[in-house]
Amino acid sequence: SAVISQKPSRDICQRGTSLTIQCQVDSQVTMMFWYRQQPGQSLTLIATANQGSEATYESGFVIDKFPISRPNLTFSTLTVSNMSPEDSSIYLCSAFEGGPGYSGANVLTFGAGSRLTVL
Amino acid sequence: AQKITQTQPGMFVQEKEAVTLDCTYDTSDPSYGLFWYKQPSSGEMIFLIYQGSYDQQNATEGRYSLNFQKARKSANLVISASQLGDSAMYFCAMREDGGKLIFGQGTTLQVKP
Repeated sequence: SAVISQKPSRDICQRGTSLTIQCQVDSQVTMMFWYRQQPGQSLTLIATANQGSEATYESGFVIDKFPISRPNLTFSTLTVSNMSPEDSSIYLCSAFEGGPGYSGANVLTFGAGSRLTVL
Repeated sequence: AQKITQTQPGMFVQEKEAVTLDCTYDTSDPSYGLFWYKQPSSGEMIFLIYQGSYDQQNATEGRYSLNFQKARKSANLVISASQLGDSAMYFCAMREDGGKLIFGQGTTLQVKP
């Protein structure tokens, strides 16, 4: 399976600033996703990062707050804009190597996460 | 509407005993996949086991097995011979044909020595 590197692994940010998280996969993958995990909670899907086009956002998440880029099949960025303490979370990049259709036991692989604390 | 439900916020099990973690799901898509992930305190997401909606047999991976009851829409994880290292958060997840994975609320498992 793919190996995913995320950076930064953690950061402490000031209210009102923005931070970009980078996600690098060691092989070409068809689908990449960004999740948020608030303290003690489950993973919530923010968006699907689409290569060469705008990301597909889930309900409750908007492009102005969480702009996403995916310039190629191995790299994506998530920016958390105008941060507030409520944005303190772990942000996880994930990748799926199979096609968009369901087939077999293709596994979603995760990066180690980026733990953001907003003061 | 909630698509993946884990009703056990926390579970305890004695070392070397078996434990079942519950998961129910809801989908109208005939083609879907069910996954279990483990998240230890370090935060990494570790894939454990997978069950496809068309699979005839329950999935097994070492000490992990999935009790798949399609008519009941349940996909419970069974961990046999629990070890102290099994203490972690466990997430059930479902993928529909669109490809994205949706997670349940999670169950915290603590293994007692």
